[in-house]
Amino acid sequence: DAKTTQPTSMDCAEGRAANLPCNHSTISGNEYVYWYRQIHSQGPQYIIHGLKNNETNEMASLIITEDRKSSTLILPHATLRDTAVYYCIVSDRGSTLGRLYFGRGTQLTVWP
Amino acid sequence: NAGVTQTPKFQVLKTGQSMTLQCAQDMNHNSMYWYRQDPGMGLRLIYYSASEGTTDKGEVPNGYNVSRLNKREFSLRLESAAPSQTSVYFCASSVRQGLMVNEKLFFGSGTQLSVL
Repeated sequence: DAKTTQPTSMDCAEGRAANLPCNHSTISGNEYVYWYRQIHSQGPQYIIHGLKNNETNEMASLIITEDRKSSTLILPHATLRDTAVYYCIVSDRGSTLGRLYFGRGTQLTVWP
Repeated sequence: NAGVTQTPKFQVLKTGQSMTLQCAQDMNHNSMYWYRQDPGMGLRLIYYSASEGTTDKGEVPNGYNVSRLNKREFSLRLESAAPSQTSVYFCASSVRQGLMVNEKLFFGSGTQLSVL
């Protein structure tokens, strides 16, 4: 069963903020939310992760709702190079298995 | 610093042939993973190795075997290739700290495998 639900595709104008939503209504208390992206034909690239609080790094911001049932990845000033498939993943860091399951993600297209 | 290196980058096999995909990382990571990605699909976990000396099945292990040769290397073997195994294969690694796993995975550039 998929733990996350994401839109299949989105688009965004270059220079504008890209807001990618993710629903994870069955998330448990010890599960983190991770975001990765995959630029065409390359290996996925880690973007950001969080548990409860909003997080920001040099690539993006992650906003997690108070009930933790959904989150939004924000690329503040999208560029053409941000065109990629974005994956939202939930994972239990305390698990000795520690594996990530990727779904189909959201294809983000940034247009000039 | 090379990161995660996969070889070969491309391979064509005939049905029934065997081959091994090689993966090596130079980041001193504990955990390593093999994923496959089919057209229009997300990544599916084949096998993983939480630490040197251990391997476990992921979502789609049938038809594959793995070997964690040492801390650096994690190979994936197809004993008798089938057309259904045509895919892009990605190796990844991550740091493990005690029982907590850092899911910041570092991926290789992939192996495009075609089985005719």
